[in-house]
Amino acid sequence: GENVEQHPSTLSVQEGDSAVIKCTYSDSASNYFPWYKQELGKRPQLIIDIRSNVGEKKDQRIAVTLNKTAKHFSLHITETQPEDSAVYFCAASEQGHTDKLIFGTGTRLQVFP
Amino acid sequence: DTGVSQNPRHKITKRGQNVTFRCDPISEHNRLYWYRQTLGQGPEFLTYFQNEAQLEKSRLLSDRFSAERPKGSFSTLEIQRTEQGDSAMYLCASSLWGQGADNEQFFGPGTRLTVL
Repeated sequence: GENVEQHPSTLSVQEGDSAVIKCTYSDSASNYFPWYKQELGKRPQLIIDIRSNVGEKKDQRIAVTLNKTAKHFSLHITETQPEDSAVYFCAASEQGHTDKLIFGTGTRLQVFP
Repeated sequence: DTGVSQNPRHKITKRGQNVTFRCDPISEHNRLYWYRQTLGQGPEFLTYFQNEAQLEKSRLLSDRFSAERPKGSFSTLEIQRTEQGDSAMYLCASSLWGQGADNEQFFGPGTRLTVL
């Protein structure tokens, strides 16, 4: 079955700096890769996703890149702000089949003012 | 609020008791998923429904766990003879699946279960 690894587990950056979180997946059939942000005690919130037919997607300060050959994808946050502080989870699924999400173990991002 | 809702938000029970959680998905969503999240980990898939049909159950799901979605709307997750290892946050998500749909999964706030 699918396995998703996520690094780093914690990331501290100064406000205004960039943050990068990386994930790798094992199942080449996976074709959908969402990223969720989870604040303490809150539900996971979808912030951006990418499908296997594109290599990059951007939404304001957030971008995601996908390398299907290497089976890895990354989240890039630019001009970080204190409110970006949260746990970020990557996930992978095979859409059109079960669509169940297989999550990484999470990255705790702290942005210091 | 038109998002996914879950009840109760918190449940404390004694080992060996049965518990039942409810999830109300976004109204037009035809797929409903249950996940379990323990501290410091990502959500772990348990089972999912398309309308009223349960299409997949995780091999990690013991026979003490059962889920239903009888009318294709809300779903219940029951845990029989709870064990301390069942303590976790139980998350529900829903999505619209089908031709042209994004199938993005939206999560509920979760039910936090504590087994004493």
